[in-house]
Amino acid sequence: GAVVSQHPSRVICKSGTSVKIECRSLDFQATTMFWYRQFPKKSLMLMATSNEGSKATYEQGVEKDKFLINHASLTLSTLTVTSAHPEDSSFYICSAARTSGISETQYFGPGTRLLVL
Amino acid sequence: DQQVKQNSPSLSVQEGRISILNCDYTNSMFDYFLWYKKYPAEGPTFLISISSIKDKNEDGRFTVFLNKSAKHLSLHIVPSQPGDSAVYFCAAGGNKLTFGTGTQLKVEL
Repeated sequence: GAVVSQHPSRVICKSGTSVKIECRSLDFQATTMFWYRQFPKKSLMLMATSNEGSKATYEQGVEKDKFLINHASLTLSTLTVTSAHPEDSSFYICSAARTSGISETQYFGPGTRLLVL
Repeated sequence: DQQVKQNSPSLSVQEGRISILNCDYTNSMFDYFLWYKKYPAEGPTFLISISSIKDKNEDGRFTVFLNKSAKHLSLHIVPSQPGDSAVYFCAAGGNKLTFGTGTQLKVEL
């Protein structure tokens, strides 16, 4: 199977601090990784797409300076929420795909619950 | 603008019966469609997919039907089991996915 992990699974932080979330593909090399955000009872919202070794492509309305994405290797991508505020509290989910092909299945991590106080 | 819609927020089905989950989309450029299952506080799990060149794909108890002219797809689960109780998301796209809002399926004994 294709396993994707996320760390931490849950984080509580103070307003103004930065939080880093890691996404790892454990048993395959992920050329492309995606970061999603899910609000309660809402759909998954794509935040950005990252390809290993290049800058992430952010969706409209997502602040790239606030949500820093680094895809340093074929098995690791990180999302850093900088200067977090309570409205950033959400469920963040990453996914990974072996290629950037249009029919490539995305495998999702278990998600990270962020609560900003 | 919700390009992928799941108009039924919830569905309740008896064990052993068929569950039919529906999804509509508006973007005719979408050429790949997927269904994901999601439990609370977990990431989605891939279930089944279909490309736009097909109208049906079957995998065990799960069958996905695609009607391109109607821009509609559906997921059939038969027979439904209590363990199928979860939120089901349809997703559509090409290089990136657009998700529907999900349907909460409850399979009752």
